[in-house]
Amino acid sequence: NAGVTQTPKFRVLKTGQSMTLLCAQDMNHEYMYWYRQDPGMGLRLIHYSVGEGTTAKGEVPDGYNVSRLKKQNFLLGLESAAPSQTSVYFCASSYVTTNNEQFFGPGTRLTVL
Amino acid sequence: KNEVEQSPQNLTAQEGEFITINCSYSVGISALHWLQQHPGGGIVSLFMLSSGKKKHGRLIATINIQEKHSSLHITASHPRDSAVYICAVNEGDMRFGAGTRLTVKP
Repeated sequence: NAGVTQTPKFRVLKTGQSMTLLCAQDMNHEYMYWYRQDPGMGLRLIHYSVGEGTTAKGEVPDGYNVSRLKKQNFLLGLESAAPSQTSVYFCASSYVTTNNEQFFGPGTRLTVL
Repeated sequence: KNEVEQSPQNLTAQEGEFITINCSYSVGISALHWLQQHPGGGIVSLFMLSSGKKKHGRLIATINIQEKHSSLHITASHPRDSAVYICAVNEGDMRFGAGTRLTVKP
């Protein structure tokens, strides 16, 4: 099993460009999450999904959109990237509820110039 | 103010030392997690606990619900334990501490 995978691993964007980060999991998990990690701060939840076709906002959703068309995939979109979105993005998944152990992807380092 | 506070922020130890990392939180929670982030960036879950104590190898995690406090202990520390240790609490959403950077010197 690959666990949780993320593509791409690195990306540099110019302000105003758009991109999509892909997260895939092969553990048949219901819950999936997108976090961002910034220096000196804890991971912060951007959006999450409790199942195929459903998404919900987390702590810092502004400037991001998500989609969960298939159970195994969770996409994070930036429609018009801003320098404040420079961060490391982590995807995670868990079996049923947020009380379960979360499995993390390797992260995507995004720089917005 | 972060709902999850960890101390210390940075910790340097000599190989073999006993390590303690502390986590305090300000909200009611259903579970607390300890995570390890390797120098390469990968994050793995170490423990999830809602009461008492858990042990895995040289790692021990304790939680005191009344005092809203948890500790992560590492016995006989080794350079390979060098990593960032993250406390997270589950109050519906997960809320994360900023992490404790541990460096164990040989």
